[in-house]
Amino acid sequence: AQSVTQLGSHVSVSEGALVLLRCNYSSSVPPYLFWYVQYPNQGLQLLLKYTSAATLVKGINGFEAEFKKSETSFHLTKPSAHMSDAAEYFCALHNAGGTSYGKLTFGQGTILTVHP
Amino acid sequence: SQTIHQWPATLVQPVGSPLSLECTVEGTSNPNLYWYRQAAGRGLQLLFYSVGIGQISSEVPQNLSASRPQDRQFILSSKKLLLSDSGFYLCAWTSGRSYEQYFGPGTRLTVT
Repeated sequence: AQSVTQLGSHVSVSEGALVLLRCNYSSSVPPYLFWYVQYPNQGLQLLLKYTSAATLVKGINGFEAEFKKSETSFHLTKPSAHMSDAAEYFCALHNAGGTSYGKLTFGQGTILTVHP
Repeated sequence: SQTIHQWPATLVQPVGSPLSLECTVEGTSNPNLYWYRQAAGRGLQLLFYSVGIGQISSEVPQNLSASRPQDRQFILSSKKLLLSDSGFYLCAWTSGRSYEQYFGPGTRLTVT
């Protein structure tokens, strides 16, 4: 069975500092991987996705993530944090094989706090 | 372009009352549809999914039910709400080709 683990339920950075949110996955087949962002009382917004093309994926709002098969990781980074980046971030996985009806497996989420 | 709507945005209901939350998708056809719940301080829990009209699969046993009367309409219901049904309910859709899901704005349900 597949799983997604987000290391650190809370991450705090200063404005202008590097943002690193960690995601490790477990999957028996090549996965599709996603990062979503959720602002308070809003739905989830897709930040970026990995679908077996380039291993370095660029998304919206200056975020990017690198797929590392050897480390089973898909960490999210942003070189310089903005106050507006404060939100909860979810990593998600879909197994590319099998009949899963498009279901995603989500991590537990990481709340990012940005200090001025 | 595709859009997804949910209503109501917020709802306060007493214990034992019925529930009906609606989700509609525009700009696509034959989407896969999903209902999730976020309880306070917890992650996303998949409640139901549907791959077509009248086809509903339940992920967890609970007090809720779902229906899909039209291709782009997904309804979450309950006959009698429990306090534990409180939470933030999210509807999502996917085309089934690249598997990213697109989420609606959510419904905040408070059961009192």
